[in-house]
Amino acid sequence: KNEVEQSPQNLTAQEGEFITINCSYSVGISALHWLQQHPGGGIVSLFMLSSGKKKHGRLIATINIQEKHSSLHITASHPRDSAVYICAVLTDSWGKLQFGAGTQVVVTP
Amino acid sequence: DGGITQSPKYLFRKEGQNVTLSCEQNLNHDAMYWYRQDPGQGLRLIYYSQIVNDFQKGDIAEGYSVSREKKESFPLTVTSAQKNPTAFYLCASSILLAGSTDTQYFGPGTRLTVL
Repeated sequence: KNEVEQSPQNLTAQEGEFITINCSYSVGISALHWLQQHPGGGIVSLFMLSSGKKKHGRLIATINIQEKHSSLHITASHPRDSAVYICAVLTDSWGKLQFGAGTQVVVTP
Repeated sequence: DGGITQSPKYLFRKEGQNVTLSCEQNLNHDAMYWYRQDPGQGLRLIYYSQIVNDFQKGDIAEGYSVSREKKESFPLTVTSAQKNPTAFYLCASSILLAGSTDTQYFGPGTRLTVL
């Protein structure tokens, strides 16, 4: 069983819609990352958070340490947001990440 | 520009051949990582290194080898002992903080296909 679970696996939205991706984990963590992977394969780090909430442009990430749950929200979605979004948790001080399987997001015009 | 480079982007090899994937960073990061990505699965850690001349096995190190002779370079060799080497390989690096690490920065990846 994967210790990091994401939902949904796939998501299709119309441009302008509000999108939420969820991540639940079953291990103790020191931080959680949200990553974005575009079709070419390159990965970009969106957020690293250990508590509360962070916002960058139209992206918002929240984490509830007690419930072992994090969400990534995309407001006013746009076709350029189409990508795979990956949740990863930092489980030790050596930088070892455990990854969710990713959520494929498609935003249609 | 600062960043991580991986080469080549696409690599084809015959079964039974060893192949080395390059990863170079000019970010002055201490830590470097190699991950493997397969369709429908999360990234899995192959090897990681915190300092020059030292590295540790990750979750799926069997059939792989690495070296860290220079801070900026962390090449990965996929040996013939790796049973299913066809995959997308990603290299990453990060700053080491006191008792933790910072955000990991990823390279563009190398797609290896073994024929």
